[in-house]
Amino acid sequence: GAVVSQHPSRVICKSGTSVKIECRSLDFQATTMFWYRQFPKKSLMLMATSNEGSKATYEQGVEKDKFLINHASLTLSTLTVTSAHPEDSSFYICSAKTSAGTDTQYFGPGTRLTVL
Amino acid sequence: QKEVEQDPGPLSVPEGAIVSLNCTYSNSAFQYFMWYRQYSRKGPELLMYTYSSGNKEDGRFTAQVDKSSKYISLFIRDSQPSDSATYLCAMSGQYSSASKIIFGSGTRLSIRP
Repeated sequence: GAVVSQHPSRVICKSGTSVKIECRSLDFQATTMFWYRQFPKKSLMLMATSNEGSKATYEQGVEKDKFLINHASLTLSTLTVTSAHPEDSSFYICSAKTSAGTDTQYFGPGTRLTVL
Repeated sequence: QKEVEQDPGPLSVPEGAIVSLNCTYSNSAFQYFMWYRQYSRKGPELLMYTYSSGNKEDGRFTAQVDKSSKYISLFIRDSQPSDSATYLCAMSGQYSSASKIIFGSGTRLSIRP
């Protein structure tokens, strides 16, 4: 149980375009989802916390107009990187928490974004 | 000072050896402690979860938490080449649907056949 999927797994886009990444909890309802960014050989950097039906809470230094997050249902959250630039190239990972029980997060497989 | 400190490694040991991975932390409010395993270009996978102090064993893996020393460990017995990955410790302060998890920087582990 507690499977989280992400789509796409890899995306290459031109500078200036927008890219949408989907995060789905497949076998549980996730009231809270998190979006992380990970640079090579570095740890996870939390970008934002997303609660179903409300606005996301962004970490300091993360531009909310640049990284649009929508959590429209208990099983789906999306991250849209708007007007992407090469410095946005990174590994983006989402995670989800179940609505009850432990404090653990279950991670998706990640999306590798390359902006040319 | 970082809230969670973890030696990045790399750590290389022969197959069959016992591996010890460790993290220290500074925030005494942390109560939930986790270990994640991350293979290259994949998302982290939850390995172990413990609450407060004590030991927890699951197969070849043992997690230890010493809150008095603010020190947590993950032991891997009879290590296998398939255990080669980056191991991330993680912790949080309280249960809530929106509580944040603080991650260590990860230790890269390589098991030599």
